[in-house]
Amino acid sequence: NAGVTQTPKFQVLKTGQSMTLQCAQDMNHEYMSWYRQDPGMGLRLIHYSVGAGITDQGEVPNGYNVSRSTTEDFPLRLLSAAPSQTSVYFCASRDSTGRAGYTFGSGTRLTVV
Amino acid sequence: GEDVEQSLFLSVREGDSSVINCTYTDSSSTYLYWYKQEPGAGLQLLTYIFSNMDMKQDQRLTVLLNKKDKHLSLRIADTQTGDSAIYFCAEKTNDYKLSFGAGTTVTVRA
Repeated sequence: NAGVTQTPKFQVLKTGQSMTLQCAQDMNHEYMSWYRQDPGMGLRLIHYSVGAGITDQGEVPNGYNVSRSTTEDFPLRLLSAAPSQTSVYFCASRDSTGRAGYTFGSGTRLTVV
Repeated sequence: GEDVEQSLFLSVREGDSSVINCTYTDSSSTYLYWYKQEPGAGLQLLTYIFSNMDMKQDQRLTVLLNKKDKHLSLRIADTQTGDSAIYFCAEKTNDYKLSFGAGTTVTVRA
C-alpha cells in the first residue's frame, strides 16, 4: 500500500544510547518532516526536508539529526537518548502543492529509561 | 505568531452533532486542516479548507472558516461511536510546516 512507513513501532532505549528511526514513503513526495507528539502539546516539528540533499531544523531540533540521501527515505537519528525524548514520533510527507496536506506514518513510540 | 488553540475535551451523545472549535493566529495561512487520530494510530487527514473559502462540506463533515476572527470549526453530523478520537486542527504557515493545536479528545457516549 502506498504511504509512509515507519519502523520500529516501539522502542525502549537506555539513557545515552543512540538509534535511528526509519521513515520511507513511496509517493514521490518532495517534502518530508519529523514531528514529536507529547500529551497536551500537539505535534512539534523536529526537522524537515524539501527534497533530496536538503534538510533544515524545526522547532525542537536539539538532540536529533537527519539526512535525506534519497527522495524516499528520511531517517531520524537520536545521538544520545535522554528521558526528555520519550515521545511518539511521526514522519510525514506531502507533495509540492500541499493542498492535500501531509500523509502521516503510524508512529514510533519511544521510551527512554 | 503560530499558535493554534483548541479545547481539550468534548463529550457528545451518539446521534447528536459534534462541533470542535479552533482558533489560529497566522492570518497568512493558506490551508487549514482537520486531522483525526484514533488510539495507537497516526494522523489521518479528514478534510481541509483553503483560506479563501468560508465553508466546505464533505458528507457528515462541515468546516466553517471565519477569517476575521481566525476561527475554524469542524461539525460532525450524526456522531457515531467510531468518531471517538482525538481531532487536531492545523494551519499551513509556510511551505514546510504545519502548526498543530493540542488536540480535542471527542468521546461519544451511547
